[in-house]
Amino acid sequence: KAGVTQTPRYLIKTRGQQVTLSCSPISGHRSVSWYQQTPGQGLQFLFEYFSETQRNKGNFPGRFSGRQFSNSRSEMNVSTLELGDSALYLCASSGGGFGSYEQYFGPGTRLTVT
Amino acid sequence: AQSVTQLGSHVSVSEGALVLLRCNYSSSVPPYLFWYVQYPNQGLQLLLKYTTGATLVKGINGFEAEFKKSETSFHLTKPSAHMSDAAEYFCAVSHASGGSYIPTFGRGTSLIVHP
Repeated sequence: KAGVTQTPRYLIKTRGQQVTLSCSPISGHRSVSWYQQTPGQGLQFLFEYFSETQRNKGNFPGRFSGRQFSNSRSEMNVSTLELGDSALYLCASSGGGFGSYEQYFGPGTRLTVT
Repeated sequence: AQSVTQLGSHVSVSEGALVLLRCNYSSSVPPYLFWYVQYPNQGLQLLLKYTTGATLVKGINGFEAEFKKSETSFHLTKPSAHMSDAAEYFCAVSHASGGSYIPTFGRGTSLIVHP
């Protein structure tokens, strides 16, 4: 099976712009979660989508949003970028049902905001 | 609420020496516990997990961890370190919540292996 893929791998944006990141889960997986990883805050949970619905949400401002499509692919959007949004954004997929304990991570998208 | 504490942001060992990375967790319900490894510019790879049953869990690349409920610990060990083990290691805890198992991660431990 192909793993979780994320595009693009690297992005450079300017403050105030918006950005969209994409994630394709492992085939058959219905849950997609997004994380922000920074040296200062570590790995922080953004949100989880399951069957096109947001099922869980972390403690991030409304500038961070996401969606999931019927094929389970997911996108996350960050509007009005700030310097502090520079981070590695990781996507993870899982089966989504009871017993689907582990998450499988993609390689991440490195976002740099200047 | 759940949380994870990884003792030591950096651990340095010589090649061939024992690797011990410490993890303590806090959870109000029976936890599911994980160790992930992250190599530079890559995502996280699952090393091993504890869900139920045997408390000594074996994972990939010769790593193992033991769930000790009385100590709320899930330390990661490997008998003999290889240079290729140099990476960032994350301990995580989760529990079932409506079909979700969203993990809470520790801050990570960077393993340095000296020749």
